[in-house]
Amino acid sequence: GAVVSQHPSWVICKSGTSVKIECRSLDFQATTMFWYRQFPKQSLMLMATSNEGSKATYEQGVEKDKFLINHASLTLSTLTVTSAHPEDSSFYICSATIRTGGEQFFGPGTRLTVL
Amino acid sequence: QKEVEQNSGPLSVPEGAIASLNCTYSDRGSQSFFWYRQYSGKSPELIMFIYSNGDKEDGRFTAQLNKASQYVSLLIRDSQPSDSATYLCAVNSNTGGFKTIFGAGTRLFVKA
Repeated sequence: GAVVSQHPSWVICKSGTSVKIECRSLDFQATTMFWYRQFPKQSLMLMATSNEGSKATYEQGVEKDKFLINHASLTLSTLTVTSAHPEDSSFYICSATIRTGGEQFFGPGTRLTVL
Repeated sequence: QKEVEQNSGPLSVPEGAIASLNCTYSDRGSQSFFWYRQYSGKSPELIMFIYSNGDKEDGRFTAQLNKASQYVSLLIRDSQPSDSATYLCAVNSNTGGFKTIFGAGTRLFVKA
C-alpha cells in the first residue's frame, strides 16, 4: 500500500514552454502533498506544501507564479513549470502523507530537461 | 545551526559490518523521526519511523532515538553492497506549524 505515482517520469522541453507534472496517490487519500526539487548530488529541497482545495504554501525563494501547483482532489496534485528555462532542469519529486505529521510516501520523480 | 544535521560522508564499511548513521536535530518539540533511503537517481523510500525514546528494530535495521540528547540514529546490521545509498534523516517539527525537515543525507558505501 501507500503508492504514489508521478507522470511523466522524464520530459525534455524547449526553453519558454510549460511543463505539467502529475502526482497521484494510488491507494490512499492524501491529506497533504509535497513537491521537492533535487539537483545532482544535492539534497532534497522542499518547494511547496499542498492541501486539497486550498492554495499551496511555497517555501521562501520559490516563485509561486513560475511553479503553479493545483491540488484538485485528495489523490491528485499537479505542478506546472511555466516558461521553463535551462536552470529549471532538475529532478522533481512529489510525496504524500496519509495523516498530518506522518511519514511521507514519495513518487518516483520526474526528470526535467529544458533545452 | 542546521535544523537537522547529518554527516555527509561517505561512510564506508565492509560487507557484513554494522553501519551506524547519526542525525541530530535542533527542535526539542519534535515528535516524529524518519529514516529514508535514496539510491542514486531515484526518489527516497521510507525505511523506518520512530516516535518514542529507545530502540526500534525491523529486520537488519534498528532506529535509536534519544530525545534528551536530540539525536536519532540508524544501525544497519550485516551491511550489504545493496545498502549503498544516501540515507536521509527527517524530523517532524512543530515550530511554526507542522513541518518535516530533512537532513542533507549521509552517503553509505558498503564494500564487497
